Amino acid sequence: DVKVTQSSRYLVKRTGEKVFLECVQDMDHENMFWYRQDPGLGLRLIYFSYDVKMKEKGDIPEGYSVSREKKERFSLILESASTNQTSMYLCASRPRRDRGLKIRYEQYFGPGTRLTVT
Amino acid sequence: QQQVKQSPQSLIVQKGGISIINCAYENTAFDYFPWYQQFPGKGPALLIAIRPDVSEKKEGRFTISFNKSAKQFSLHIMDSQPGDSATYFCAASSGSARQLTFGSGTQLTVLP
Repeated sequence: DVKVTQSSRYLVKRTGEKVFLECVQDMDHENMFWYRQDPGLGLRLIYFSYDVKMKEKGDIPEGYSVSREKKERFSLILESASTNQTSMYLCASRPRRDRGLKIRYEQYFGPGTRLTVT
Repeated sequence: QQQVKQSPQSLIVQKGGISIINCAYENTAFDYFPWYQQFPGKGPALLIAIRPDVSEKKEGRFTISFNKSAKQFSLHIMDSQPGDSATYFCAASSGSARQLTFGSGTQLTVLP
């Protein structure tokens, strides 16, 4: 089974702190994603990475950065946390499309990190 | 700009009833339409998916109906069970894109 793990289930930080959210997947997937989930807004893509050291902005990248130094690990960084970044953060991974899998586009999600910024 | 609109936001159904969740999209380049199911404290998981070359796909009690001309698709849960209580997200993607565009989610409660 694919396993996507996130470093923390709950995190409380203060305004202005630098925050690191870590995600690790064990299936050698090329693509990794960071979303935030807010009630009534669904899942919004922050950043994604399609290879080591490669990244692309999603729909809401402002206030966030990412790092992917190793294939299995994708980090989300809040340079200076603000209260409007209080949210559930979800990491996901997916293999490259040409793997020949039956469901090529399936994304595998971690359990999420609930971040509260006070 | 929300490219995939989902309704209703919440749904309460009696055990044994039919749950219906609707989604509409704008981007005609979308060619893959999955539904994800999320239980409390868990990340979303793929439930069922459809491509636009078919009008319906059924897996057990779950059916996707797809109307390409109307740019709409829906999830039907037959014989709904309390264990189906979860948040459901529709999504869409296009062939050249790596990411999914998600709807806003529907919180389904099935009463025993």
